[in-house]
Amino acid sequence: DVKVTQSSRYLVKRTGEKVFLECVQDMDHENMFWYRQDPGLGLRLIYFSYDVKMKEKGDIPEGYSVSREKKERFSLILESASTNQTSMYLCASSSSGAGWGEQYFGPGTRLTVT
Amino acid sequence: ELKVEQNPLFLSMQEGKNYTIYCNYSTTSDRLYWYRQDPGKSLESLFVLLSNGAVKQEGRLMASLDTKARLSTLHITAAVHDLSATYFCAGLMEYGNKLVFGAGTILRVKS
Repeated sequence: DVKVTQSSRYLVKRTGEKVFLECVQDMDHENMFWYRQDPGLGLRLIYFSYDVKMKEKGDIPEGYSVSREKKERFSLILESASTNQTSMYLCASSSSGAGWGEQYFGPGTRLTVT
Repeated sequence: ELKVEQNPLFLSMQEGKNYTIYCNYSTTSDRLYWYRQDPGKSLESLFVLLSNGAVKQEGRLMASLDTKARLSTLHITAAVHDLSATYFCAGLMEYGNKLVFGAGTILRVKS
């Protein structure tokens, strides 16, 4: 079974703090994604990565950056957290080979910025 | 650019009834996915539809894909309370590995 894990289920941070959200997958997937989910807005793609050290902006990259130093790990960084970044953050991975396209999601991190 | 539209966005139904959730998409999409999300939880894959006419069934849920009409449906048969969740459809963009998600349908099954 594909396993995608996220470093925290719940996180509370103060405005202006630098925040790291980590995601690890164990299926050797090439592609990894970060979404945020807000009520009424569905899932919005923040950043994605097709390969190690590669990243591409999604639909709402402002205020975020990412890092992918190893194939299995994809980190989302909030350089200076703001209250409007309070949200549920979901990480996902997918293969570029057999079964390509289908994304497997981690359990999510509910981030509150106060 | 691929856009995915689901309707209805909210569905309240009685146990034992049947209903259908619709997922329309705007441009060619190679593959269509259905996911389920329980409150406070992450997304769980339900169905992967790979070609025109594809039909998949799991328990009381059946998903189908009509690529000519650019339409996928998720049909619920004899609903039970355990099916209460949010259901998302997502289309795979023609180039690349990005999914475009619909807004989700919140399903509440009342006894």
